[in-house]
Amino acid sequence: AQSVTQPDIHITVSEGASLELRCNYSYGATPYLFWYVQSPGQGLQLLLKYFSGDTLVQGIKGFEAEFKRSQSSFNLRKPSVHWSDAAEYFCAVGNNYGQNFVFGPGTRLSVLP
Amino acid sequence: NAGVTQTPKFQVLKTGQSMTLQCAQDMNHNSMYWYRQDPGMGLRLIYYSASEGTTDKGEVPNGYNVSRLNKREFSLRLESAAPSQTSVYFCASSIVSQVGSYNEQFFGPGTRLTVL
Repeated sequence: AQSVTQPDIHITVSEGASLELRCNYSYGATPYLFWYVQSPGQGLQLLLKYFSGDTLVQGIKGFEAEFKRSQSSFNLRKPSVHWSDAAEYFCAVGNNYGQNFVFGPGTRLSVLP
Repeated sequence: NAGVTQTPKFQVLKTGQSMTLQCAQDMNHNSMYWYRQDPGMGLRLIYYSASEGTTDKGEVPNGYNVSRLNKREFSLRLESAAPSQTSVYFCASSIVSQVGSYNEQFFGPGTRLTVL
């Protein structure tokens, strides 16, 4: 069965600093990989997704993620964090048929002024 | 387009009461899902419906039932609520087609349920 781990429960960074959120997955086939963001009291919004092709994918709000098959990782990065990026971030893995969509436990990001 | 809508936004129940959470999507998606979100657990799949007329259990189906009323609507029913079902419930939908398509899920705003 597939699984997703996000090793960091909570990360605090200063505004303007760079950010990397870690995601490791276990999946038997070619994974579809996703990052979602959840602001307090809100639903989840898709940041970016990877299925195939270029292993560095660009998303909304200046985020990017890199797929590394050898490390089973799909880490999320942003070069300069804004206060509005404070939220919870979820990595997810699935297949193209939707039934096996699995979320990681989430990483809460706090941003210091 | 409203996307995925959920009602109600908040609900308080007493143990043993029943209720139905409603979900609708206007994106012509064929698949719909119900998740619950608990602190430190991420989102866990309760039930999903791959297409109209089909439903399947997810990771945590006990205590819940679902109905795929039509292509747009997918409801979640708690027949006898328990305090362990206190959670935030999210409905999602996606278009699922052949290999090569992205099946990202689109989420509703959630229903915060408290069972006393």
